[in-house]
Amino acid sequence: KAGVTQTPRYLIKTRGQQVTLSCSPISGHRSVSWYQQTPGQGLQFLFEYFSETQRNKGNFPGRFSGRQFSNSRSEMNVSTLELGDSALYLCASSLALGDFSYNEQFFGPGTRLTVL
Amino acid sequence: QQQVKQSPQSLIVQKGGIPIINCAYENTAFDYFPWYQQFPGKGPALLIAIRPDVSEKKEGRFTISFNKSAKQFSLHIMDSQPGDSATYFCAAVYSGGYQKVTFGTGTKLQVIP
Repeated sequence: KAGVTQTPRYLIKTRGQQVTLSCSPISGHRSVSWYQQTPGQGLQFLFEYFSETQRNKGNFPGRFSGRQFSNSRSEMNVSTLELGDSALYLCASSLALGDFSYNEQFFGPGTRLTVL
Repeated sequence: QQQVKQSPQSLIVQKGGIPIINCAYENTAFDYFPWYQQFPGKGPALLIAIRPDVSEKKEGRFTISFNKSAKQFSLHIMDSQPGDSATYFCAAVYSGGYQKVTFGTGTKLQVIP
């Protein structure tokens, strides 16, 4: 079974631009979560989508948004990029069989975003 | 707000040593505590996890010790090997919160031959 895939793997943008990152979950996984990883802050939760609905959101500004499609694929968008947005953006998928049971999250390799 | 504090930030041990990574949490609603291992260029992968009704869990050379009253838990790696060199993240999950995972800041472990 193929793992979580993220595209592109590397991206260079300039301040003020916007960017869209893509994540394809493991087949059959319905939940997709996004994280920002930086050396100083570790992994910070951005948001989680389940059945095309955002169920959970972290403490990030509105410039960060996402969506999930009917095939569970997800995209994350960052508008008006700032230097501080440079980070590794990780996507994770899980089965999400029930609301009150933890399902292992499987991470993709990430998209390395550099903002100049 | 950092809800899961992890230490140390980096750790160097010799092969065969027992590195210990510590984490502390604040929110008593957390009910699942996984550890992730991340190699360069890869996403984190689940290593081992524990629920708060258990004080210790072992899987191979990896052991989690959990102290519910102190709200602390730690990862021990027995007989560490150079292949264990990676970044380790502790995490805490409130399973009623749609699997929102709160991660520690990570510990970069280097095992030297």
